[in-house]
Amino acid sequence: DAKTTQPPSMDCAEGRAANLPCNHSTISGNEYVYWYRQIHSQGPQYIIHGLKNNETNEMASLIITEDRKSSTLILPHATLRDTAVYYCIAGAILTGGGNKLTFGTGTQLKVEL
Amino acid sequence: GAVVSQHPSWVICKSGTSVKIECRSLDFQATTMFWYRQFPKQSLMLMATSNEGSKATYEQGVEKDKFLINHASLTLSTLTVTSAHPEDSSFYICSASSDRYADREPQHFGDGTRLSIL
Repeated sequence: DAKTTQPPSMDCAEGRAANLPCNHSTISGNEYVYWYRQIHSQGPQYIIHGLKNNETNEMASLIITEDRKSSTLILPHATLRDTAVYYCIAGAILTGGGNKLTFGTGTQLKVEL
Repeated sequence: GAVVSQHPSWVICKSGTSVKIECRSLDFQATTMFWYRQFPKQSLMLMATSNEGSKATYEQGVEKDKFLINHASLTLSTLTVTSAHPEDSSFYICSASSDRYADREPQHFGDGTRLSIL
């Protein structure tokens, strides 16, 4: 799996958009970019993933640069409940399941009033 | 869909005892299950990968005789920490993977088990 680099921490005001960057300059052509988050003392929660195109779901948007070397996760209107560690992971989808994910250190997002 | 249940959520026991943690996929068949360990203020570290009916594949540095993994069915995997000691105290998290969801969400995680060894 390609290595990813994220800032260790970020702050965001409640109601504002939170933009979390991720660098994955060695990503392979068949590797997706996945985002998970972990709220304190819970298991990771899936947020979104993408390959080349930008993606949006009910939780967030994912913007991937054209060269795929970096991406940004956007939480459009952050709330206090979005305070968590956000992990950006690059990995390939394997046939037969068993997709291995390698977690880095992530970004601690703190949403404040 | 894609719910993973982990039990117990919290356990305290004496040094030298063995502890079993269960991981169940409630509404799907998990072809592969993963076990992670997380120490305070650190990231998740993969311990092992298991496929139903096969022996688990352990990551480098993880003692397979210490952390016994059984994946007897497509909905249940267990992790047994044998002869646990205080240094085994950690947050243990399981996840499950399925072909059915592989193109959407590669792993579905349980809520973890907080293990404290006195």
